[in-house]
Amino acid sequence: DQQVKQNSPSLSVQEGRISILNCDYTNSMFDYFLWYKKYPAEGPTFLISISSIKDKNEDGRFTVFLNKSAKHLSLHIVPSQPGDSAVYFCAGITGTASKLTFGTGTRLQVTL
Amino acid sequence: GAGVSQSPSNKVTEKGKDVELRCDPISGHTALYWYRQSLGQGLEFLIYFQGNSAPDKSGLPSDRFSAERTGGSVSTLTIQRTQQEDSAVYLCASSSPRDFPYEQYFGPGTRLTVT
Repeated sequence: DQQVKQNSPSLSVQEGRISILNCDYTNSMFDYFLWYKKYPAEGPTFLISISSIKDKNEDGRFTVFLNKSAKHLSLHIVPSQPGDSAVYFCAGITGTASKLTFGTGTRLQVTL
Repeated sequence: GAGVSQSPSNKVTEKGKDVELRCDPISGHTALYWYRQSLGQGLEFLIYFQGNSAPDKSGLPSDRFSAERTGGSVSTLTIQRTQQEDSAVYLCASSSPRDFPYEQYFGPGTRLTVT
């Protein structure tokens, strides 16, 4: 049972344009959703999160949108930069400190 | 300050051998997690330690897998009688309840290859 799904394994975007990464979930008990970014041979690093009671959270070039009725969230990166090229994982968490349930990731490539 | 460290960074072992993977969490972090990422898969939760509480072992795939955390700090993940399907990158993470919002800090991982 895959509770968090990222249906697009890869995405290519031109530098300066918007990148939109999507994530769907089935577990209504998630309290927070987090996006992690992973470069090759490194561990994932935290990017941005959103509470399940919010519908938007913005941090610089990164904005996460949550649509609870559709059980869908998205990460927007504007403008995209070559350094954003990485694998992005969506994750849900229940409770104050618990396991993260990850999606399978989307590989973003930002081209010049 | 120092981040989460893991050793070894790479481990090649023969099928049937036992392996130990080590994780040094960030100092002061009370929670420690193990995940693994198999080829083409997302990160899969294995086990979670929080302070002195009993660990959450719900993600361990079989009884060949075990983990311990000594003194509330360093953790060791042990895989007995390794199988080829155990080949993956094993990631350790730690967190503090003072961090918002429940951010976990990951180490660089140990790449395990079972031949």
